[in-house]
Amino acid sequence: DSGVTQTPKHLITATGQRVTLRCSPRSGDLSVYWYQQSLDQGLQFLIQYYNGEERAKGNILERFSAQQFPDLHSELNLSSLELGDSALYFCASKGRNTGELFFGEGSRLTVL
Amino acid sequence: QQQVKQSPQSLIVQKGGIPIINCAYENTAFDYFPWYQQFPGKGPALLIAIRPDVSEKKEGRFTISFNKSAKQFSLHIMDSQPGDSATYFCAASIGLGTGANNLFFGTGTRLTVIP
Repeated sequence: DSGVTQTPKHLITATGQRVTLRCSPRSGDLSVYWYQQSLDQGLQFLIQYYNGEERAKGNILERFSAQQFPDLHSELNLSSLELGDSALYFCASKGRNTGELFFGEGSRLTVL
Repeated sequence: QQQVKQSPQSLIVQKGGIPIINCAYENTAFDYFPWYQQFPGKGPALLIAIRPDVSEKKEGRFTISFNKSAKQFSLHIMDSQPGDSATYFCAASIGLGTGANNLFFGTGTRLTVIP
């Protein structure tokens, strides 16, 4: 158990819909990262937050947005969903004094 | 553009074999090179990591070899076991601290160890 909690574990929705994925980082960790893992695509970095502020953006689509709240949990919002958005979405938090990322078990999104 | 290139995409070895996974990078500012292991249905977890001031690091049956001049690093798994069957990701980043120092991941290698 990494200490990072992601909900929901599985989500099935239709094209054009909007979903919210939630992440609670490890206790004490201030950084939250979001990654997308599609089949044979590896881990694609989406966005990073540190203590409530956006710190880095990767290949995140304009239809996607995220935020980190004062209690440090984070939400990833995916809107106008397309079939190609079907993927595993991972959240990770980074240890304060190490480079290690601690990943949650992911949210599997299926867009039909 | 893929910051870290990883090969092979998949690998099948017999139990006891030594699978080798290779990664290459271009950005000479990278100074932290971890490997992550991912089992089906789980998130990736840190396996072993190396800094560029050493050429090799061993932890148990796992060894990272690092070639700074060639900008390449590799993971060797000694005496591989069926329980090592997983997807392995190499990664690279600049620094360890907070801030926008991302980990750039390779595309992953799916390892299967046959009993």
